Amino acid sequence: EAGVTQSPTHLIKTRGQQATLRCSPISGHTSVYWYQQALGLGLQFLLWYDEGEERNRGNFPPRFSGRQFPNYSSELNVNALELEDSALYLCASSLRTGRNQPQHFGDGTRLSIL
Amino acid sequence: GQNIDQPTEMTATEGAIVQINCTYQTSGFNGLFWYQQHAGEAPTFLSYNVLDGLEEKGRFSSFLSRSKGYSYLLLKELQMKDSASYLCAVTPEKYGNKLVFGAGTILRVKS
Repeated sequence: EAGVTQSPTHLIKTRGQQATLRCSPISGHTSVYWYQQALGLGLQFLLWYDEGEERNRGNFPPRFSGRQFPNYSSELNVNALELEDSALYLCASSLRTGRNQPQHFGDGTRLSIL
Repeated sequence: GQNIDQPTEMTATEGAIVQINCTYQTSGFNGLFWYQQHAGEAPTFLSYNVLDGLEEKGRFSSFLSRSKGYSYLLLKELQMKDSASYLCAVTPEKYGNKLVFGAGTILRVKS
C-alpha cells in the first residue's frame, strides 16, 4: 500500500512569491492535514480537510490556504512568501471515522525562501 | 492555550530501557499519540492512548494518566536504530482532529 506522497521534495522561492505544495493521501483516507515544522520547533497544525471541506484551521495568517480535490488529494498554497515561511511542510492523512484514527505522514516538502 | 512538555534530549545505551516523559495542559483531551521521527524523514505512528493505563506494542509501551496530564513512552532492548526524535501529540477535543505536538525528545542510543 502506497503511503502519503508529497511533491515537490524541495522548493526554493523568493520573498513575495507564491508556493503550491501537493499531497496524495493513502488510498481510502478521506482526511488530509497540513503541518509546518520550522527548524527547532515542533509541528504546528495548519489545516484539516475532509470530504472536500476545510474542517479546522490553525493559527496561521490567511495567506496560507488550500483545498481538497474530489479524489481526496490536497494542495497547500502560501501567498506573499516571507522568510519565516522557510520550513518543512508535512501532509498527513487518516480515515475519517472518529478522532482516534492515527495520522500517517508523508516525507514533506522543504520550502526555502531566499 | 495548549502546552506539551518533553525533555529536549536523552542518551541511553544499546540494550537498555529508556522512558520518555510527556506532560500536557490542553483545553480538552481526546487522546495522546506518540510518533517517531528519524532525521530527514516523516514521523511514523507508534502508539495511541485515550484511557488510563499501559498500552504495549512489542518493544514499545505507552502509559497515560489523564488526571495527572502525563504520559510516557517506554522503549525496551534499545537498538541503535532507535536513535530518533520522539514526538508526543494530543488531540484536544475542542479542536477536532487537530494534533498538538510537543517539541520532541531527541534520543541518542550509544553502543
